[in-house]
Amino acid sequence: GQQLNQSPQSMFIQEGEDVSMNCTSSSIFNTWLWYKQEPGEGPVLLIALYKAGELTSNGRLTAQFGITRKDSFLNISASIPSDVGIYFCAGGTSGSRLTFGEGTQLTVNP
Amino acid sequence: DADVTQTPRNRITKTGKRIMLECSQTKGHDRMYWYRQDPGLGLRLIYYSFDVKDINKGEISDGYSVSRQAQAKFSLSLESAIPNQTALYFCATSDPPGQKVSGELFFGEGSRLTVL
Repeated sequence: GQQLNQSPQSMFIQEGEDVSMNCTSSSIFNTWLWYKQEPGEGPVLLIALYKAGELTSNGRLTAQFGITRKDSFLNISASIPSDVGIYFCAGGTSGSRLTFGEGTQLTVNP
Repeated sequence: DADVTQTPRNRITKTGKRIMLECSQTKGHDRMYWYRQDPGLGLRLIYYSFDVKDINKGEISDGYSVSRQAQAKFSLSLESAIPNQTALYFCATSDPPGQKVSGELFFGEGSRLTVL
C-alpha cells in the first residue's frame, strides 16, 4: 500500500524559532493535506494543497505541494507556545482514502 | 456541540471482552471512517463507509467489525479485545471528492481504549 515518511518525528524548539517538517512518498498523490492534533482532540485541517508546485499560506503556516507530487513540506514561522501538538501530513488520490504520515510532535519552549 | 461525537471517550476493559465504540455526526456527510492512532505510527484506517449500505475494510481491519446504522451513525466493535488493541480511536467524516475541500476529514475527539 501507499506509505508516507514524515520527518522529523519530534522537534523541541524555542518560542520565536521557525519550524520545518516534510513528508515524502514513493507514490504520487493528487492532494496533500496538513493536520494538527492538540492534546485530547482529534486532528484538524490546517492547509490543503491540490496542485503540483502549489504554495499556500495560512497565517504563519506555509505549505507546498512538491513538483513531483511525491512530497510536501510545512513551515511554521515565529513559533508560539500554542503551536504545540502533533502535525500530520496526508496524501490523497482521486476518489480514495487518505494516507497519513507518522506525525511530527512539536514542543515549543517559552 | 461537536459535529462528530464519539462515545465513550475513555474505556478500560479486559482481554476477551466485547467492546463497542460509537460515532454520530451532524455534518450531513455520507462518508464515515474509523482510524486507530498509535505513537509513532500515525493514523491507520480500520474501516470506512461511503453510505449506509457500503462497508469497506481499511489497512488494519482484522479483529474489528463495524455497523453503519444510519447516515449519521457508524459504530466500531471489538468482538474479543486483546491488549495490542490498546490505542486511541478516531471516527471521521467527509464529503465525496469534488466538494469544497476534497479529501478533508472531520475528526471526532477520540476514544481512548485500554485492554488489560
